[in-house]
Amino acid sequence: SQKIEQNSEALNIQEGKTATLTCNYTNYSPAYLQWYRQDPGRGPVFLLLIRENEKEKRKERLKVTFDTTLKQSLFHITASQPADSATYLCALPFSGGYNKLIFGAGTRLAVHP
Amino acid sequence: KAGVTQTPRYLIKTRGQQVTLSCSPISGHRSVSWYQQTPGQGLQFLFEYFSETQRNKGNFPGRFSGRQFSNSRSEMNVSTLELGDSALYLCASSRYTGTEYTGELFFGEGSRLTVL
Repeated sequence: SQKIEQNSEALNIQEGKTATLTCNYTNYSPAYLQWYRQDPGRGPVFLLLIRENEKEKRKERLKVTFDTTLKQSLFHITASQPADSATYLCALPFSGGYNKLIFGAGTRLAVHP
Repeated sequence: KAGVTQTPRYLIKTRGQQVTLSCSPISGHRSVSWYQQTPGQGLQFLFEYFSETQRNKGNFPGRFSGRQFSNSRSEMNVSTLELGDSALYLCASSRYTGTEYTGELFFGEGSRLTVL
């Protein structure tokens, strides 16, 4: 069955550094992959979508890569700020697609001043 | 443009009771999905509706049900509540038109259900 793995350990970094989060998946060849941000007690907020034919996508300080050979996506936040502290979720569509997404457990990022 | 609205935000029920949660999608969105989020299991897909039809269903018992109305508003119902149903229930809408899948989900703030 489809599986997504995100580092369950919290990632602690210093303000101004680049945060890199990893999403690995198995038993699957998704047409795209999404990243969401979730703050405590709030619903997830969509950040970026990258398609299988795209190697890299950027949005302001965010960069996502998608390696379909390694079955891995990397999510980077450059010049990180304390306001970037949140849980970041990776999501893939179930085979059969539509809006049925499978989410990773998320990685909690803490950016320290 | 108003976001996805979920009501109630918080509720407490006892075992055996039933609960109905409501979701109003973003205006113009016809697809509504429901997810359950718990610390142990993370975000798990419950079901998805499009144009009043359930198109996808997750691996949840029949106690979990839902429906969508002609104005795209959706409700989900959980009957015979169990302690393990305590969770954050999230609703999400999307711009899916029935032919083109856009991918992005817009989530509401969720309904926090506590079962005692």
